[in-house]
This record gives sequence, structure tokens and C-alpha cells, in this order.
Amino acid sequence: DAKTTQPPSMDCAEGRAANLPCNHSTISGNEYVYWYRQIHSQGPQYIIHGLKNNETNEMASLIITEDRKSSTLILPHATLRDTAVYYCIVRGSGNTPLVFGKGTRLSVIA
Amino acid sequence: EADIYQTPRYLVIGTGKKITLECSQTMGHDKMYWYQQDPGMELHLIHYSYGVNSTEKGDLSSESTVSRIRTEHFPLTLESARPSHTSQYLCASSEAGAADNEQFFGPGTRLTVL
Repeated sequence: DAKTTQPPSMDCAEGRAANLPCNHSTISGNEYVYWYRQIHSQGPQYIIHGLKNNETNEMASLIITEDRKSSTLILPHATLRDTAVYYCIVRGSGNTPLVFGKGTRLSVIA
Repeated sequence: EADIYQTPRYLVIGTGKKITLECSQTMGHDKMYWYQQDPGMELHLIHYSYGVNSTEKGDLSSESTVSRIRTEHFPLTLESARPSHTSQYLCASSEAGAADNEQFFGPGTRLTVL
């Protein structure tokens, strides 16, 4: 599976959009980009995933560049409850286990 | 909300004891996983299973063992607990088949070995 690079930490003001970047320059054509988050020490929570096209669900939007070498997770209106570690994961075909990196610690500030 | 359960949620135990951490899911998922996470650190895959009677070791070497006798159940056992085993253990499951199935995580078991 391709490796990912994320900033270790970010701050965001409450009510503003949080834009979390991820680089995955070695991604191959059949690998998906997944985003999970972990609030405090709870089990990670799925947010969204995509292959080529941009995706949106009730939690977030995922923007994948045309060359697929990077992506951005967007939380449109961040709240204090969005404070968490966010993991960007590239996952190979065949439904292989998720491999977690260090992620980005997002702090939403009132 | 994912139907995946772990017991106990917290366990404090003495060195040398045998322990079993329970994980069960009611979603009929074929694939199940165990991750280990030290405080403030990343998750590491220690075991996984793609179905009944199938178990594989993950990326991080672990002295624990697992079994998969029933689809819904994936227990993790430490024969002789040591302080170095102190950590959080997270169980997850996913459907087989499609290349992009989501992994659902349980709440975790926080283990402290004295």
C-alpha cells in the first residue's frame, strides 16, 4: 500500500471549514483513499473514502486531485466535537487491512 | 452504529496471568482484525482473520495469539501477561468481497499489567 504524509497537527476555529491535506504520491490506480478519525482513545471512526472522484457525505467532503497524488478532507463547519486525530490511509485492492500512520491532530478552538 | 463489542473495556492484572480479550460482531463480517495502540501513538495491526479457521499475523510482532472458531467471535489471548503488554487493544471487522469495504471498530480494551 502507498504511504501517506500528513501534517502532525492543525488548528481550526469553531464554525469554520477544516481542510486536512494528505499526500500519497505513490498511489497506484486501484488503491482507495480512506479517512478515519479517532476521538480521544475511542475506536477509529470511518469518515469517507474515494477512488478518483470527489465524494461527499453527511460528515465531510473528500477532494482528490486529478493525478490522485494528494487529497483534502473538508469538514465544512467544524465543531468542538470534531477535535480528534484524523488518519488518511491508502488501501490496496483485495480489501486488505487498514494500515494507520501518525495522522493529523485537529484541534477545534472556540 | 457498528455492532462490534469488546470485553472487558478495562483490565488491570498482575504479571504472569493468562488473559483473554473478547471481541464479537453481529454483522456477519468474514474479516476481523486486532490492533494495538500505546497512548498517544499510532495503531499497529497485530492479527487478522479472513474467515473461520483463518488467522494471520500483522505488521507488529506480538506475543498474543488469536483464534477464529466462529464467524462472530475473534478472541485474543496472552498466555503470560507482562508489563510490556500494557496497551489499548482495538478489534475491527469488515465484509469480504468488495475492494472498498469499511472497517468497523470496537470501543477497545485498555489493558494494564502490573
